[in-house]
Amino acid sequence: QVQLVESGGGVVQPGRSLRLSCSASGFTFSHYGMHWVRQAPGKGLEWVAFISFDGTDIYYSDSLKGRFTVSRDNSKNTVYLQINSLRTEDTSMFYCARERFDPWGQGTLVTVSS
Amino acid sequence: DIQMTQSPSSLSASVGDRVTITCQASEDINNYLNWFQQKPGKAPKLLIYDASYLATGVPSRFSGSGSGTHFTFTISSLQPEDIAIYYCQQYDNLLFTFGQGTKLEI
Repeated sequence: QVQLVESGGGVVQPGRSLRLSCSASGFTFSHYGMHWVRQAPGKGLEWVAFISFDGTDIYYSDSLKGRFTVSRDNSKNTVYLQINSLRTEDTSMFYCARERFDPWGQGTLVTVSS
Repeated sequence: DIQMTQSPSSLSASVGDRVTITCQASEDINNYLNWFQQKPGKAPKLLIYDASYLATGVPSRFSGSGSGTHFTFTISSLQPEDIAIYYCQQYDNLLFTFGQGTKLEI
């Protein structure tokens, strides 16, 4: 079955960097674009980034552009999200989702705290 | 950026009730609208795509309608397992935007 599994979250100090991973299985990963979406505790959903099936087209939320970098490795069926200069307001659950937002992974929690 | 305004922000209904949620886009998004369900502690789940098409495996009591800037999501007969937060999302441009969510309670 189609499955997405995020990893890489944890507790990190402000100003540090983190790389999240999303490992895909059950479908031909190299045929699909992928999204990252985040959700702060008790808040709504915020789209972060999209990367096309081959990595040639990348789009970011205007409000988040600059500190976030999405990439993928089709040989590993994995999409990544690099987050630099982490801020306390980045504390969120980060989800990956396949191209049409179906399905989603279970999420990985990033907590930014000193 | 396209803004999505959902209403109501919360809703209390009884089992068997017909429930309707609306989503207003700040500009014409054609039919490029998704509806998601998010249960507590879980990832969102796609219910409706292209404004009115039911995603695979989604019960037929869920439906969506609308075009342009005004969209509606309906549960024809509310079930206890439908307790969740529901989100609309536009994808007309490549800057995807979610509504603020509607918390549905029984």
